[in-house]
Amino acid sequence: SQQGEEDPQALSIQEGENATMNCSYKTSINNLQWYRQNSGRGLVHLILIRSNEREKHSGRLRVTLDTSKKSSSLLITASRAADTASYFCATGYLQGAQKLVFGQGTRLTINP
Amino acid sequence: SQTIHQWPATLVQPVGSPLSLECTVEGTSNPNLYWYRQAAGRGLQLLFYSVGIGQISSEVPQNLSASRPQDRQFILSSKKLLLSDSGFYLCAWEGVSRSPLHFGNGTRLTVT
Repeated sequence: SQQGEEDPQALSIQEGENATMNCSYKTSINNLQWYRQNSGRGLVHLILIRSNEREKHSGRLRVTLDTSKKSSSLLITASRAADTASYFCATGYLQGAQKLVFGQGTRLTINP
Repeated sequence: SQTIHQWPATLVQPVGSPLSLECTVEGTSNPNLYWYRQAAGRGLQLLFYSVGIGQISSEVPQNLSASRPQDRQFILSSKKLLLSDSGFYLCAWEGVSRSPLHFGNGTRLTVT
């Protein structure tokens, strides 16, 4: 299975601190994506990093990709209560449609 | 702008009853369409994807089927629901291959 695995499964930090979530996967990928899901809602795309990229930034988000270790990390800096959500990594390989394979997610709680 | 509609938002159905969940996309043409299922507190499992009208690929053998009667319409069906069909069903579309997925708000199905 190419399924990504996020670590930790749950993370609770104080507002203003940085949050780091990790993702590991098993096979070669075309890209790796991070999504966010508020409770009971659909997923929202955060950032996509391609297999030939090592780091990408978007606002307070920083994603790294290490293809030699088959791992990625998502860093959220200066966390806010509104960042409370579940975060998923998804690995993409192509066979017709994209067929993203999602991990189990990290439940992030930001305490005010 | 593109939008995705998924309905109903919640559904309670008895075991053995039929199911029809509908997803429509507006503002784009020839999208790739996806059905995912999410068990409580878990990641997403890809059920079906479609790259065009009448073209359906099934990822896991199960009690469900999908159809795409129109370019921007994707339907998830079952003739007889099982208890194990309970879950959160998410529809998503992709405009260009290997681009981020855009998710609907999901349907929470409870089979009783």
